[in-house]
Amino acid sequence: DAGVTQSPTHLIKTRGQQVTLRCSPKSGHDTVSWYQQALGQGPQFIFQYYEEEERQRGNFPDRFSGHQFPNYSSELNVNALLLGDSALYLCASSPIRDTEQFFGPGTRLTVL
Amino acid sequence: AQSVTQPDIHITVSEGASLELRCNYSYGATPYLFWYVQSPGQGLQLLLKYFSGDTLVQGIKGFEAEFKRSQSSFNLRKPSVHWSDAAEYFCAVDPSNTGNQFYFGTGTSLTVIP
Repeated sequence: DAGVTQSPTHLIKTRGQQVTLRCSPKSGHDTVSWYQQALGQGPQFIFQYYEEEERQRGNFPDRFSGHQFPNYSSELNVNALLLGDSALYLCASSPIRDTEQFFGPGTRLTVL
Repeated sequence: AQSVTQPDIHITVSEGASLELRCNYSYGATPYLFWYVQSPGQGLQLLLKYFSGDTLVQGIKGFEAEFKRSQSSFNLRKPSVHWSDAAEYFCAVDPSNTGNQFYFGTGTSLTVIP
């Protein structure tokens, strides 16, 4: 079992650009959540996808959007990047009837 | 305001000593409670979780945690720390008990000295 995988590992962008991060959930999991972890902080919930729809959203602007595909994998898109978007972006997956979330290793985004 | 508080930003312990990391939450009902560990450059690994029942829960790597409703606390403990336990520890809560949204504390960084 490969667990939760994320790509890319690291990414460097400049202000104003757009970025797409990818996540493949653990085998058997159909729910994907995304978190932003700024340096020295705990993860903050961005949104959760289930059945290809956004089911829950945290306090993040519309610049942050997502998508879930029929195979349960997911993308996080961030438009008009700001310096403050620099963070570790974590993906977590879970089965719909289980509250335990399994986290991937994250994608480190640096915005210059 | 609803929150998860980890009052200790950084803790240093000697190898072999006992450890207690504190976590307090402020939500109306008893949420589901979790402790995660994060090694440098890594994702989060679940140590243990509490949903209901016995208030003392056992986890992986010799960790345990005790839920105290009266204190709204869920403190993590280990009787004898190993050098490999050095990492960042996060307490998390799921207020809706549905798995829809987790709230994390700011973390406690653990240093283990030989």
